[in-house]
Amino acid sequence: NAGVMQNPRHLVRRRGQEARLRCSPMKGHSHVYWYRQLPEEGLKFMVYLQKENIIDESGMPKERFSAEFPKEGPSILRIQQVVRGDSAAYFCASSPRNPLEWEQYFGPGTRLTVT
Amino acid sequence: AQKITQTQPGMFVQEKEAVTLDCTYDTSDQSYGLFWYKQPSSGEMIFLIYQGSYDEQNATEGRYSLNFQKARKSANLVISASQLGDSAMYFCAMSEGGAYHQGGSEKLVFGKGTKLTVNP
Repeated sequence: NAGVMQNPRHLVRRRGQEARLRCSPMKGHSHVYWYRQLPEEGLKFMVYLQKENIIDESGMPKERFSAEFPKEGPSILRIQQVVRGDSAAYFCASSPRNPLEWEQYFGPGTRLTVT
Repeated sequence: AQKITQTQPGMFVQEKEAVTLDCTYDTSDQSYGLFWYKQPSSGEMIFLIYQGSYDEQNATEGRYSLNFQKARKSANLVISASQLGDSAMYFCAMSEGGAYHQGGSEKLVFGKGTKLTVNP
């Protein structure tokens, strides 16, 4: 059973460009979480999605950031008009939402660098 | 208010000795879960151990144990017989609400982490 997959692993964007980060959850998982880790910090929750629904976006910046988890295909975190402060590691986690399985399984992360 | 506090930015331990990493939490929920993750220099997040708020026994997973003191709101991680490969960042995290004592999954709130260095 393949783990959570994220791509790209490293992404370099110039200021003003768009960044698209992809997350494929583990097989059978229908719940996806996105977290951001700034340098020397812990992870901070951004958004929680189920297929075709945003359940909790309380951690998403109000502008430039959006997320989706379509019926088919990976979850996408989109950052428009990136700025240097967006440079961070972005982690995706997935969960089966099964009462017997409470763990969130993390992907390897995408390191975004804005130049 | 900070929900998860890790007061030790860095810790050092000799190989083969035990080490305790501190974590205190703040919640008014009765149902919550506490997690520890390890992040080596390669960057991935590795799950170590989980404790549910209704679990009466302290969680153990191999060399890892969680010293859960509910009244003090602390969830310290104990690593026994440290190994060089244990050198990493360690993050304590909490999830609130839902049927957490039965499982389920809500967003995680992380502490700032403790950098553990194991010396030979």
